[in-house]
Amino acid sequence: NAGVTQTPKFRILKIGQSMTLQCAQDMNHNYMYWYRQDPGMGLKLIYYSVGAGITDKGEVPNGYNVSRSTTEYFPLRLELAAPSQTSVYFCASHTEGAIQPQHFGDGTRLSIL
Amino acid sequence: QQQVKQSPQSLIVQKGGISIINCAYENTAFDYFPWYQQFPGKGPALLIAIRPDVSEKKEGRFTISFNKSAKQFSLHIMDSQPGDSATYFCAASFQAAGNKLTFGGGTRVLVKP
Repeated sequence: NAGVTQTPKFRILKIGQSMTLQCAQDMNHNYMYWYRQDPGMGLKLIYYSVGAGITDKGEVPNGYNVSRSTTEYFPLRLELAAPSQTSVYFCASHTEGAIQPQHFGDGTRLSIL
Repeated sequence: QQQVKQSPQSLIVQKGGISIINCAYENTAFDYFPWYQQFPGKGPALLIAIRPDVSEKKEGRFTISFNKSAKQFSLHIMDSQPGDSATYFCAASFQAAGNKLTFGGGTRVLVKP
């Protein structure tokens, strides 16, 4: 049981490039989330999904896009990378229910130069 | 607008001592208050959580104290061990908003042997 798997672990991008951060979970969780964590700061919600085909914006969605075609995968897309998007990105998931703990992946460290 | 404020930003404690981290929130609709522990290079992991209908919850050496009237909650780590050295995040959510977590800024705890 792998839990939440994020790839790649590290990436350096040039300004204006695009890339997709991958997130997969094998727990059949309906709820999935993308957060960014800036140095010395807490996590901020970028996008989330409550099930396949359903996504919604979080606190800081500008510059990002998501899709959720299956329960297992929830990729995050950066279309035109900017230095302000340098951060560590975490994907999380949890099962159905009133209050469920979120299970986090180990993150993708992204630098944009 | 930061809805969950966490203090201190960092903390050094001797082995066997007590670590205390405080959080204050603004939104009275919050109904779930988890604490996450994060080791370097890893994603946050749920440590302990509390609902506002109780004033204290204890799990092993970790205790959450909750003061609803003051809109504050705190994490106490008793008999702190070097293995407790990590970054701790408080968070809050409410069911009506789909359980999306709002995180505090984090506290880096260092336990000296």
